[in-house]
Amino acid sequence: GQQLNQSPQSMFIQEGEDVSMNCTSSSIFNTWLWYKQDPGEGPVLLIALYKAGELTSNGRLTAQFGITRKDSFLNISASIPSDVGIYFCAGQRWQGGKLIFGQGTELSVKP
Amino acid sequence: GAVVSQHPSRVICKSGTSVKIECRSLDFQATTMFWYRQFPKQSLMLMATSNEGSKATYEQGVEKDKFLINHASLTLSTLTVTSAHPEDSSFYICSARAPGQDSSPLHFGNGTRLTVT
Repeated sequence: GQQLNQSPQSMFIQEGEDVSMNCTSSSIFNTWLWYKQDPGEGPVLLIALYKAGELTSNGRLTAQFGITRKDSFLNISASIPSDVGIYFCAGQRWQGGKLIFGQGTELSVKP
Repeated sequence: GAVVSQHPSRVICKSGTSVKIECRSLDFQATTMFWYRQFPKQSLMLMATSNEGSKATYEQGVEKDKFLINHASLTLSTLTVTSAHPEDSSFYICSARAPGQDSSPLHFGNGTRLTVT
C-alpha cells in the first residue's frame, strides 16, 4: 500500500534536546495526524491538523500542516526519557477516508 | 475520549487453526472500523475497512477469505484469521471513528500479537 515518506527513520538524542521529524507526500492530504506508539501497544493520537498552514501544540509537542498540504512536521522540545517510542505521521485525503501512514521515526532518548 | 478495546492482547495458535480477534468501541458507536497489520519495525498497513451491517472493503492483496471480518453491531467488529500459517504472525490493530464525525481522528485499540507456530 501507499505510504508517506517520513524522516528520519531513527534518532538517538540526549535528554533535554529538541527533536524534529517530518513527512512528505507527492499528493495532497486534507488531514494530517501524528501518533506515538509504544512497544506492544496501539498508536496514541498526539496532534491532529485540519487546515493548511495550521500550527498546533500539545504540551512540548508542536506540529504543522504544510501550506502545500503535502507535508507536515512534528517538533518535540526538551525531550525526556518517556518520549522514547515510534512516531508515525498519517494523512487522510478526504473526510472519512482511510489513513495512510508514514514509515515511522524511532526515537531513543539518553538520560 | 473515544476508547477502542481489543481482545485478546496476544494469542498463540497452531498452524491450520483459526483465530478470532475482537474490536470494541467502548464509549461510542462506530459504523466504520479499520483493521491494520503491523510487522516488526514496520508501519501500519491497512487490511480492510469494516462496515456495520454490510460487507467489509479489503485492500488490494488482502485475501478476504482468509481474513474474515464481521461488523455485526455498532460497537463490535471481529477479524478471524482462518487456517493460520506462521507468515500470518503479526501485530493486528483495529481503529474506529464515531459516526457523523468523518473529520475526527481514528482511535486505535491496543493491538493483538498473533503468533502462529
